[in-house]
Amino acid sequence: SQQGEEDPQALSIQEGENATMNCSYKTSINNLQWYRQNSGRGLVHLILIRSNEREKHSGRLRVTLDTSKKSSSLLITASRAADTASYFCATDAGGGGYNKLIFGAGTRLAVHP
Amino acid sequence: SQTIHQWPATLVQPVGSPLSLECTVEGTSNPNLYWYRQAAGRGLQLLFYSVGIGQISSEVPQNLSASRPQDRQFILSSKKLLLSDSGFYLCAWSDTVASFSYEQYFGPGTRLTVT
Repeated sequence: SQQGEEDPQALSIQEGENATMNCSYKTSINNLQWYRQNSGRGLVHLILIRSNEREKHSGRLRVTLDTSKKSSSLLITASRAADTASYFCATDAGGGGYNKLIFGAGTRLAVHP
Repeated sequence: SQTIHQWPATLVQPVGSPLSLECTVEGTSNPNLYWYRQAAGRGLQLLFYSVGIGQISSEVPQNLSASRPQDRQFILSSKKLLLSDSGFYLCAWSDTVASFSYEQYFGPGTRLTVT
């Protein structure tokens, strides 16, 4: 079963606008990660936030984590057409000797020039 | 730098035929390796993972198997494909958990269509 659920499923915005995607999960986590996937390609790791962190920045990306609500958000500021892709959150519950990630179904972002 | 390769990029196979997808990683040693399947418009489902040569764990019962004959080689196989095996197959690697590095790095994927 999928732990992460992204919201919205699809988002359409104009270049220069901000895009916000949300992720909810069900169980305790060690960390939460966001990945990007261009159509028909592999996933690219964007950012990781640990369970004891509340906010993290990387370039135009801002991720927040609220462990009490079991939710995270990804904000892309000043979006560009090249940001058009699907974005996935993935939760890592830790343990087991390997990094078991559970992915949500993703948010499809379309940025129009 | 590390690189991950998958081949073939696309594959069309008839029902009942065998399957072999290969994944290799360069530039790292003793990685954890993963096979995922992605249905159209969906998230990723973990199929298999491996923490070392010959060590394979399956996440879901299915028509597929995996093998790791060498440290940086991961193979996904089937003896007889089903229509439901169609999908986008992604291989990924990560450092061992002892490194406290939790990111996974994905290959370009194989698009499999079973007809």
